[in-house]
Amino acid sequence: EDKVVQSPLSLVVHEGDTVTLNCSYEVTNFRSLLWYKQEKKAPTFLFMLTSSGIEKKSGRLSSILDKKELFSILNITATQTGDSAVYLCAVGDAGTALIFGKGTTLSVSS
Amino acid sequence: SQTIHQWPATLVQPVGSPLSLECTVEGTSNPNLYWYRQAAGRGLQLLFYSVGIGQISSEVPQNLSASRPQDRQFILSSKKLLLSDSGFYLCAFGRGGSGNTIYFGEGSWLTVV
Repeated sequence: EDKVVQSPLSLVVHEGDTVTLNCSYEVTNFRSLLWYKQEKKAPTFLFMLTSSGIEKKSGRLSSILDKKELFSILNITATQTGDSAVYLCAVGDAGTALIFGKGTTLSVSS
Repeated sequence: SQTIHQWPATLVQPVGSPLSLECTVEGTSNPNLYWYRQAAGRGLQLLFYSVGIGQISSEVPQNLSASRPQDRQFILSSKKLLLSDSGFYLCAFGRGGSGNTIYFGEGSWLTVV
């Protein structure tokens, strides 16, 4: 059965800290791995990764994929209170739907 | 630009009552459409997806149903709600050629009492 596992489930840090969120997966016919940020409502798209070793970066957020070890990490540097959210990892296979992990809840205190 | 709208945003329904959540997409044609449910601590669970008008695939057995009467309209329904149907429902769309990226609507909070 295809699955996506995120760790940790929750994390509390202070403003300015750097955090690393993890996502491991087991899917047949892997096609892509995606990260989303969910605040109060709908998840918003952050990154899509398809190739190993190529870092995607957007401001203080960055992500990388390891297709050999079947995992991805999402790094957030110099965290701010606005980074507090649930971060979702999802994997796309040859089908049409994404498989989501349960998410990591990040709380950044000032 | 492509946009997705979902309504109602919140609703409180008694057990045994019917349900209808509606979702429409603008700015694209023949999108893949999805209904997900998010319950506390369980992540996003795929309920239904559709690759075209009248084509619905169900991922989990339940008392919910979905319909796609038009290319950019997706409806989630129930004839009789259960307490366990409470949750946050998300409609989403995607393009098959874009590497599975999907984009979500604003979500609908359903509380069954």
